[in-house]
Amino acid sequence: SSELTQDPAVSVALGQTVRITCQGDSLREYSASWYQQKPGQAPILVIYYKNNRPSGIPDRFSGSRSGNTASLTITGAQAEDEADYYCNSRDSTNHVLFGGGTKLTVL
Amino acid sequence: QVQLQESGPGLVRPSETLSLTCTVSGDSMTTYYWSWIRQPPGKALEWIGYVYYTGTTNYNPSLKSRVTISVDTSKTQFSLKVTSVTAADTAVYYCARDLGAYCNGYDCHSLSAFDVWGRGTVVTVSS
Repeated sequence: SSELTQDPAVSVALGQTVRITCQGDSLREYSASWYQQKPGQAPILVIYYKNNRPSGIPDRFSGSRSGNTASLTITGAQAEDEADYYCNSRDSTNHVLFGGGTKLTVL
Repeated sequence: QVQLQESGPGLVRPSETLSLTCTVSGDSMTTYYWSWIRQPPGKALEWIGYVYYTGTTNYNPSLKSRVTISVDTSKTQFSLKVTSVTAADTAVYYCARDLGAYCNGYDCHSLSAFDVWGRGTVVTVSS
């Protein structure tokens, strides 16, 4: 199916590591991208094509994939990482898919 | 530095047509895919569709019957029209650039990655 599924909410203690996951059949063939969105702001691309970070994105953000599941890992989460995170990919018909988003709380 | 800016009415009457324009600066638009994405209040991002500089389009199947996206590369702009709007079309509308592929030399892989976004424009459908 052409859907991407994310957990609605995840929490992490300050300085600890957190993994946010995204599941979907399209991820078996196409790499996921990940976005961070803070309230009232446009999303920002943080990871694309496996584990590539755009300029300016801290190296505590990393990406990986296993089967139909893509993961965004934040190693040493900071207070400023509290945000909504979205995954996306394309599918075989070149449509674009977004996950439902994961709200990350840093405790 | 590439920048995108959405413009258009913030209020649209039910059953009428929503029209937005995205003005691109710092890019000739002859590479990449150019998309519209929306986000209803408190909800997730939803891809509406894209246009390539050649005029080729692709739309979200759930919106395809009501959506038209066009491009004017001479003005470095692309536009969105959504017909027969209802309250469910109330959202923040973003325009964004999609890389479309990741290439390492001649080894290219198709993907979707929105690396540049406009700030978004709020569109409310109400009488």
